[in-house]
Amino acid sequence: QVQLVESRGGLVKPGGSLRLSCAASGFTFSDSYMSWIRQAPGKGLEWISYISGSTRYTKYADSVKGRFTISRDNAKNSLYLQMNSLRTEDTAVYYCARSHQRLIEVIEYWGQGTLVTVSS
Amino acid sequence: EIVMTQSPATLSVSPGERATLSCRASQSVSSLLAWYQQKPGQAPRLLIYGASTRATGIPARFSGSGSGTEFTLTISSLQSEDFAIYYCHQYNNWPWTFGQGTKVEIK
Repeated sequence: QVQLVESRGGLVKPGGSLRLSCAASGFTFSDSYMSWIRQAPGKGLEWISYISGSTRYTKYADSVKGRFTISRDNAKNSLYLQMNSLRTEDTAVYYCARSHQRLIEVIEYWGQGTLVTVSS
Repeated sequence: EIVMTQSPATLSVSPGERATLSCRASQSVSSLLAWYQQKPGQAPRLLIYGASTRATGIPARFSGSGSGTEFTLTISSLQSEDFAIYYCHQYNNWPWTFGQGTKVEIK
């Protein structure tokens, strides 16, 4: 059974940093593309980053490029998102997600999400 | 960036009735479109990909159609568990983008 469990988010001041992690189980983690997708309160979904199983490929949305870094540790079955220079508009629920095995652009499994609030 | 526009924003439907949700892309996305269902307080769930292929375990009452810029998700006979928000998602061009959602509520 696929499980994705995000670390607790929290309250961060503008300009601050936070690192999210996601513990994966129930599948071969190193074979899977993984992503972070966020949802601002009452808003729609925004795909902010993905990383290939080998870590060779990463991609970022313009809204987070240069501020956020996605990474993974296949030995620990863990995905990470380092968030720096946080802004109030980064306030959202952040979902860890696993791509469909045949279509990396489609999410087959989602974590339950963790709320990050950026506010002074 | 491809903008996805969903209509209507809210759809009021009685249980057992048919629901038709629309999604329009600002430019062609071929058939590279997916639909997700999200219930309050839950993560989204994949329903359809490739515009018309049901994901594993999705009931046959859910069907998708369309290509290019116009897409439709049809729920043939709404069950109580289908009342939720539905998002379309294009994956033809990065950044992969989502529509703003259609809320299907009980009439």
